[in-house]
Amino acid sequence: KQEVTQIPAALSVPEGENLVLNCSFTDSAIYNLQWFRQDPGKGLTSLLLIQSSQREQTSGRLNASLDKSSGRSTLYIAASQPGDSATYLCAAVIYNQGGKLIFGQGTELSVKP
Amino acid sequence: EAEVAQSPRYKITEKSQAVAFWCDPISGHATLYWYRQILGQGPELLVQFQDESVVDDSQLPKDRFSAERLKGVDSTLKIQPAELGDSAMYLCASSPRTAGGYTFGSGTRLTVV
Repeated sequence: KQEVTQIPAALSVPEGENLVLNCSFTDSAIYNLQWFRQDPGKGLTSLLLIQSSQREQTSGRLNASLDKSSGRSTLYIAASQPGDSATYLCAAVIYNQGGKLIFGQGTELSVKP
Repeated sequence: EAEVAQSPRYKITEKSQAVAFWCDPISGHATLYWYRQILGQGPELLVQFQDESVVDDSQLPKDRFSAERLKGVDSTLKIQPAELGDSAMYLCASSPRTAGGYTFGSGTRLTVV
């Protein structure tokens, strides 16, 4: 059974710092991996989608990498801003589980001015 | 930009009452998902539809939950009777027939009192 784990559960950094959020998965047979942002009480906003054939994707200050062999993905946020404060969730789509997303527990990020 | 529509945004209901949530996926998206997210945790799949057919409802508490997608477009999730433990965020998502990423709605926050 696929399990997705995110470390750390919470992170607080000063504004301007570069940071990395980690996501690990137990089954390397993933179809793709997606990173989401969730503001308190809101739905999920897709940030980056990495197909299994890709190693990374970039959007603005965000860069996500995927290493299937080690079962890891990272989300890099450059020059963090207070507006980046939110919960970040990673989710893997597994070949043999009908295309459903398996989510991690999320990392709650707080960027202090 | 196309969106997944959900209603209501918030619902407060008394224990043992019936409650229903509605979702309208992005036009042309054949796959529709209902997820439940308990506070502080990642979303977990309740039911997955491919067109009007249920693909996966293994985690749906069928004694009280039901879901339908009669014409393969919009969908309704119902709980009857509601229990205190059903308090959560209910999220709807859709994806194209060929997996290319998932779009989530804003969710329905359910509080059972």
